[in-house]
Amino acid sequence: GESVGLHLPTLSVQEGDNSIINCAYSNSASDYFIWYKQESGKGPQFIIDIRSNMDKRQGQRVTVLLNKTVKHLSLQIAATQPGDSAVYFCAASVSGTYKYIFGTGTRLKVLA
Amino acid sequence: NAGVTQTPKFRVLKTGQSMTLLCAQDMNHEYMYWYRQDPGMGLRLIHYSVGEGTTAKGEVPDGYNVSRLKKQNFLLGLESAAPSQTSVYFCASRTGGRETQYFGPGTRLLVL
Repeated sequence: GESVGLHLPTLSVQEGDNSIINCAYSNSASDYFIWYKQESGKGPQFIIDIRSNMDKRQGQRVTVLLNKTVKHLSLQIAATQPGDSAVYFCAASVSGTYKYIFGTGTRLKVLA
Repeated sequence: NAGVTQTPKFRVLKTGQSMTLLCAQDMNHEYMYWYRQDPGMGLRLIHYSVGEGTTAKGEVPDGYNVSRLKKQNFLLGLESAAPSQTSVYFCASRTGGRETQYFGPGTRLLVL
């Protein structure tokens, strides 16, 4: 079946460094992708999304890169801050359907 | 604008008891979803609704029922709770025209 997976369950970075969180998806028909941030005890919070007609999209301190050839996307966080500590996961969807496949998440730890 | 809210935040049930989880959104979204989140697993879809008066099964619907009598509310019912239903339940909503889902804060359910 379809799957979305993250490469690392935990990522530790120094405050001020850049963070890169990776995600792989299996369904080549997926054309819409979302990154979420989930802090402990809270619901997932939308960070950024990207459609398959784009390779890159930037937000405030975040960039998502999409490589459709290898079915991989990444989330880059610039100048990581303590407030960025959370679990990050991606979701993939096929436009026009109800279904989203969610990854299990990477826990980002920011070291002071 | 409260976004997506969930009631209750936490509940303990005994096996066989019933309860209803309430999700409310004030964004006039057409689509609403119920997910469960378990350790080591991505969010899994229980039921969803594409509009008032409509519901459909997701990937793990057994043991749950839903109703969407009003556009802004989506109820998740457990008729006879089982320990396997111990989980964190998230509600989400989105418009019909954009795939971005917005999540509520979650309901933690413990079934003894």
